[in-house]
Amino acid sequence: AQRVTQPEKLLSVFKGAPVELKCNYSYSGSPELFWYVQYSRQRLQLLLRHISRESIKGFTADLNKGETSFHLKKPFAQEEDSAMYYCALVGGSNYKLTFGKGTLLTVNP
Amino acid sequence: DAMVIQNPRYQVTQFGKPVTLSCSQTLNHNVMYWYQQKSSQAPKLLFHYYDKDFNNEADTPDNFQSRRPNTSFCFLDIRSPGLGDAAMYLCATSRVGGGATELFFGEGSRLTVL
Repeated sequence: AQRVTQPEKLLSVFKGAPVELKCNYSYSGSPELFWYVQYSRQRLQLLLRHISRESIKGFTADLNKGETSFHLKKPFAQEEDSAMYYCALVGGSNYKLTFGKGTLLTVNP
Repeated sequence: DAMVIQNPRYQVTQFGKPVTLSCSQTLNHNVMYWYQQKSSQAPKLLFHYYDKDFNNEADTPDNFQSRRPNTSFCFLDIRSPGLGDAAMYLCATSRVGGGATELFFGEGSRLTVL
């Protein structure tokens, strides 16, 4: 079974502060990990994936297999980063996406 | 230039009155998914089509059915909606094969059951 845990339901930071959204997963094989984001009144969309090892909108995420974590980080949060963030996993050849419960990030001015 | 379109965006129905939600895509993706999302919960996969092959999740109630008449369209039928079926229903598509799997989502259909 595959499972994704996001321990923080709500996270509030001030503009310019660093932000880290936590994600832990449970999967026995080699998963693909993703972060999806949903801005207010918009559809759910992909933010980044671990395979690409890229930085999107200043966000990065590193897959730590030892800790089974995929935390999302940004050194300097912006107000426009306020959104719901979902960590998600696809296990092996299974192409079904399993979501965590999400973290609502609020960046205050 | 929306690529995954869901209709209606808002649906109100009465307890037990059948409802159909639709999803269309312009991406020519081979997989289409239906997720149910209740307030403050993670999107939960109900079922998906891989081309014409239907794949039901083990815990999806029999009350939920789906049809995919062609590549572009997929429907979610709720035969006898109960109060517990009130939720946001998300359609998503992906092209499976050749790299990481990215899902493209529609804006969702919010179902209210009276």
